[in-house]
Amino acid sequence: DAGVIQSPRHEVTEMGQEVTLRCKPISGHDYLFWYRQTMMRGLELLIYFNNNVPIDDSGMPEDRFSAKMPNASFSTLKIQPSEPRDSAVYFCASSHSGEPYNEQFFGPGTRLTVL
Amino acid sequence: DAKTTQPTSMDCAEGRAANLPCNHSTISGNEYVYWYRQIHSQGPQYIIHGLKNNETNEMASLIITEDRKSSTLILPHATLRDTAVYYCIVRFPNSGYALNFGKGTSLLVTP
Repeated sequence: DAGVIQSPRHEVTEMGQEVTLRCKPISGHDYLFWYRQTMMRGLELLIYFNNNVPIDDSGMPEDRFSAKMPNASFSTLKIQPSEPRDSAVYFCASSHSGEPYNEQFFGPGTRLTVL
Repeated sequence: DAKTTQPTSMDCAEGRAANLPCNHSTISGNEYVYWYRQIHSQGPQYIIHGLKNNETNEMASLIITEDRKSSTLILPHATLRDTAVYYCIVRFPNSGYALNFGKGTSLLVTP
């Protein structure tokens, strides 16, 4: 298995532009998580899905952020409009509810820089 | 989830055992102790987990005290590639529980 795949790996954009981050979870996993990592706040959960349905989006910073999971093999995190304070590394992770201890597998992350 | 306390940083000589402590005094009876690590510029990686018995796998050993209020992750023969931030996380082992990463311990393995 290729593991969790994220694209792009790096994104540089200007303030006000729309940014879309993409994630392909491990095949067969039914949970998908989006995390954000900054120096100030560390790793924090933004939102997670179960069977493509958003379960908890309380970590989403504000309305500029939105996430979708149209099918079991694809999810997007969109920021519109982007701001410099959104600069961070965004990680996608997936897990399988059938595993008793629910290890989460993380992708390599997308490093976003908003100028 | 119970909160955890870890030292900010630690050093270890290559080839020696690295012992990373974690305090979780408010852990509840059904919560597990998980360890993840994050090597620079990579996503976090699962290492090991346990409930109350000591656990060992190919990566590390986990020692949990009898009262479960603290634990120690042991890397028996640390290598330079083990330099990373190590996170101790206490949570219920059910699907949908997100990982609550704290600050972790930054381990530096030196030649």
